[in-house]
Amino acid sequence: EDQVTQSPEALRLQEGESSSLNCSYTVSGLRGLFWYRQDPGKGPEFLFTLYSAGEEKEKERLKATLTKKESFLHITAPKPEDSATYLCAVLRYGNNRLAFGKGNQVVVIP
Amino acid sequence: DTAVSQTPKYLVTQMGNDKSIKCEQNLGHDTMYWYKQDSKKFLKIMFSYNNKELIINETVPNRFSPKSPDKAHLNLHINSLELGDSAVYFCASSQDSGLGRNEQFFGPGTRLTVL
Repeated sequence: EDQVTQSPEALRLQEGESSSLNCSYTVSGLRGLFWYRQDPGKGPEFLFTLYSAGEEKEKERLKATLTKKESFLHITAPKPEDSATYLCAVLRYGNNRLAFGKGNQVVVIP
Repeated sequence: DTAVSQTPKYLVTQMGNDKSIKCEQNLGHDTMYWYKQDSKKFLKIMFSYNNKELIINETVPNRFSPKSPDKAHLNLHINSLELGDSAVYFCASSQDSGLGRNEQFFGPGTRLTVL
């Protein structure tokens, strides 16, 4: 069974204090790894897809990287509006089920 | 423009009742999904339809029945509601369920509370 483990579960950052979120995965035949952002009371918002080890993608203050065992979401100089839960999910070849981790809850303090 | 929409946003009902949640997407996607997010915020897939055909049916009680009248709509009907059904239900859609890209786009969620 596909397994996705995210750490830390919760993180409090001062504004401007860069940090990284970890997503470790076990999947046989990774087709893609996805990062989503979820704000309270809202649906997950798509951020990135990574397909192969070594791939990196960036969007504003966020940068996602991928190895064969894990993915990192780096938040550079975060602002309070970056406060959210960040969800990682994997998709493997042969099925269409996104398997989600439990999320990293990030709070950025002004 | 709303990409994936769900109604209602909130649903409060008594145990034993039957209720439906509706979902519509205007992205032209072929595949639609229902997810359940429990109180611990864990998101788990329930069903998936591709062009009106059921392709994923996870271990979900028979009381839950999805229906797709066309590829832009996927509704979820729940019979004999139980306390444990209380959760947030998300609809999602994606362009390709085969070997291509599979970014899923989510609706705003329906918070179901069973009393």
